[in-house]
Amino acid sequence: QKEVEQDPGPLSVPEGAIVSLNCTYSNSAFQYFMWYRQYSRKGPELLMYTYSSGNKEDGRFTAQVDKSSKYISLFIRDSQPSDSATYLCAMSASGGSYIPTFGRGTSLIVHP
Amino acid sequence: DTEVTQTPKHLVMGMTNKKSLKCEQHMGHRAMYWYKQKAKKPPELMFVYSYEKLSINESVPSRFSPECPNSSLLNLHLHALQPEDSALYLCASSQKENREAFFGQGTRLTVV
Repeated sequence: QKEVEQDPGPLSVPEGAIVSLNCTYSNSAFQYFMWYRQYSRKGPELLMYTYSSGNKEDGRFTAQVDKSSKYISLFIRDSQPSDSATYLCAMSASGGSYIPTFGRGTSLIVHP
Repeated sequence: DTEVTQTPKHLVMGMTNKKSLKCEQHMGHRAMYWYKQKAKKPPELMFVYSYEKLSINESVPSRFSPECPNSSLLNLHLHALQPEDSALYLCASSQKENREAFFGQGTRLTVV
């Protein structure tokens, strides 16, 4: 079992839909959770990060962490064609040289 | 300023060439990274520098040689590469090794 599991998709939704992207993990030591957006042939862009369970909101984006279920989500409201990209989750533990572990990424397509 | 700058953006090199990739950040981050990314795959960690010292080498072949001249700069020296080394090479930085990383736009390397 991989430490971080993420469905590669593609996930295809109509413009305006609410998108839910998810990752599960097996390492209970993970405490820092990140979401990146990557457009084709570009570097990953840090979208959101959180250090605790619960929700964090930034504009149309909401990150949710459920440590008891080892499950994190990224919600995108009012999705736009410009949101079409690959979304990568990443997570790490506190202390020491614990480099973030990435999920394989989910390809999202928002069609007009 | 959350920018990590990588040069060049594109590089084509022969198998006998020597070239270098450069990365710069001015966020005061003390951890810097090199990642390799193949198409439709997540970034794959190559090297980590922490406080200008090499802290992680993920068993990368010696034809890749990292260098950290100071806290803002990171280089990756390339020599005698193989065609299978063609990929997007990403530089990233973070406050500490387990914290959220900011990526550059990458260097798209083609080995011919």
